[in-house]
Amino acid sequence: NAGVMQNPRHLVRRRGQEARLRCSPMKGHSHVYWYRQLPEEGLKFMVYLQKENIIDESGMPKERFSAEFPKEGPSILRIQQVVRGDSAAYFCASSRGHQETHGYTFGSGTRLTVV
Amino acid sequence: DQQVKQNSPSLSVQEGRISILNCDYTNSMFDYFLWYKKYPAEGPTFLISISSIKDKNEDGRFTVFLNKSAKHLSLHIVPSQPGDSAVYFCAASPLTQGGSEKLVFGKGTKLTVNP
Repeated sequence: NAGVMQNPRHLVRRRGQEARLRCSPMKGHSHVYWYRQLPEEGLKFMVYLQKENIIDESGMPKERFSAEFPKEGPSILRIQQVVRGDSAAYFCASSRGHQETHGYTFGSGTRLTVV
Repeated sequence: DQQVKQNSPSLSVQEGRISILNCDYTNSMFDYFLWYKKYPAEGPTFLISISSIKDKNEDGRFTVFLNKSAKHLSLHIVPSQPGDSAVYFCAASPLTQGGSEKLVFGKGTKLTVNP
């Protein structure tokens, strides 16, 4: 009964490289959310996807960031030409859909360090 | 502008006593509130939630109180145990039909329960 799986757990990239973060939702969950946590901050919403559709990307920076959730395979958060300010913990969460009694299930996160 | 505020970055209590974590919000559209617990190097774990039609929800040692007129909620843990030591995040969401289910998080309160 695997939970939300994120990989890699830690990712180091040089400035200008691409970072690719993966998220496999819980079995039976078709909704995926990406959040970012900067040091000493709370989690900030980035994007909400359902299979093959971006539902809400209002929290995504307009440049360099993209997300997808294909019909097959994990959801991918892609950051192109990374900068030092992209260093953060990126958390993925999944749900079945409209939650009335409980919240999402989060993965353990990917800690991105840009050097 | 922070829509969800946790004004105490840290709280220390003795084992067996009550822990009270507070959270204030500014957005009147929020009508569903959640508490998450987070250990270092792990993702947040859902703890307890409350909808705006209630003023109290209890689950074992955890009780959440909601004061809508004051836009304030609190999490009570009693009795507190050393294993409760973690960062606690308050989160809020509007329960919109067909809308994005994104959550707005506070910055968290680090709870330390001393044996």
